[in-house]
Amino acid sequence: AQKVTQAQTEISVVEKEDVTLDCVYETRDTTYYLFWYKQPPSGELVFLIRRNSFDEQNEISGRYSWNFQKSTSSFNFTITASQVVDSAVYFCALSGRRTGTYKYIFGTGTRLKVLA
Amino acid sequence: GAVVSQHPSRVICKSGTSVKIECRSLDFQATTMFWYRQFPKKSLMLMATSNEGSKATYEQGVEKDKFLINHASLTLSTLTVTSAHPEDSSFYICSANGIYNEQFFGPGTRLTVL
Repeated sequence: AQKVTQAQTEISVVEKEDVTLDCVYETRDTTYYLFWYKQPPSGELVFLIRRNSFDEQNEISGRYSWNFQKSTSSFNFTITASQVVDSAVYFCALSGRRTGTYKYIFGTGTRLKVLA
Repeated sequence: GAVVSQHPSRVICKSGTSVKIECRSLDFQATTMFWYRQFPKKSLMLMATSNEGSKATYEQGVEKDKFLINHASLTLSTLTVTSAHPEDSSFYICSANGIYNEQFFGPGTRLTVL
């Protein structure tokens, strides 16, 4: 079965704190893709990162970093020195041939609140 | 690059009327587009996959006669909510497939049926 679990429904942090959003996935595909999207209050989904299953290197982009571990089927997202503008809902997604035409399976999202 | 637009961004209509939502890929061609529905504080629910020049593929439980999808060109897909009712009120989001199969999302359309 294809599944994405974001166990953290809501997280609140104080500005400048680091925060990690968890994502655990299940798939039988050997080739698959993982994504993170940000959905601010405006509603528009913003693409953050795409990672394929053969690339386990961690990625850093400014204050954002991602840790992909196939051994634990996790693709966690860390925001360093969080800012109020980071407040949003973050979705992790999985796609692969078994989902069909590279459709996405979304997690339920994690609502991040960064307090000033 | 990879911009997807949706029109309208917000629509209010009376029960029983039909509403058409447009999804356009502005700077790239998309043979595949997707339509999602999102309820407040919930995740995105895939409604259907729209393929240019062919019939859409609907997810289980989605009424194809209720939600008509047309993908007439490589840059335009439309979703028509027919005979809308209050329970159809929701946030509708489209996405278009990029060359690496990543999805680029439109800004969404908030539909309110009175």
